[in-house]
Amino acid sequence: NAGVTQTPKFRILKIGQSMTLQCTQDMNHNYMYWYRQDPGMGLKLIYYSVGAGITDKGEVPNGYNVSRSTTEDFPLRLELAAPSQTSVYFCASSYRRNQETQYFGPGTRLLVL
Amino acid sequence: DQQVKQNSPSLSVQEGRISILNCDYTNSMFDYFLWYKKYPAEGPTFLISISSIKDKNEDGRFTVFLNKSAKHLSLHIVPSQPGDSAVYFCAAKYSGAGSYQLTFGKGTKLSVIP
Repeated sequence: NAGVTQTPKFRILKIGQSMTLQCTQDMNHNYMYWYRQDPGMGLKLIYYSVGAGITDKGEVPNGYNVSRSTTEDFPLRLELAAPSQTSVYFCASSYRRNQETQYFGPGTRLLVL
Repeated sequence: DQQVKQNSPSLSVQEGRISILNCDYTNSMFDYFLWYKKYPAEGPTFLISISSIKDKNEDGRFTVFLNKSAKHLSLHIVPSQPGDSAVYFCAAKYSGAGSYQLTFGKGTKLSVIP
């Protein structure tokens, strides 16, 4: 049981490039989330999903897209990377809406130069 | 405008003593509060929570106190252990239907000295 896995662990992007951050959970959780944590700051919610085929915006969705075609996977797409997207990205999943039940992945560190 | 504030970026405590981490909030709509613990290169893990209908919640060595009139909460760790050394985030939410938004503080780095 791997929990929540994220790939890659670290990536450097040039301004204007695109990439997809992968997130997979093997706990059969319906709820999945993407957060970003900027240096010295708390986490902010980017997008969330309450089940396959259903996604919605969080606090900071601009510059990102998500899809949820299966229960297990919740990829985050960055289009036209900008230096402001330099951050650590955390994926999380939960079996209930309550945040106490959220399990976080180890994070993806992204540097946009 | 920061709605959840952790004004102490760091805290050092001797092993066996009490650690007190503080958190203030400004949004009166917040009615549920959580503390997370984060080790380097790992994701946060949920530690303890409290609803606004309570003023205290205890789980083993961890106790969270809520003072609604002051919009202040604190996490007490007694006794502190070296394994408690981590960054602690306070988070708040409005628990109404359809609400998934958590507002996090910037975190406090706790160092427990053996």
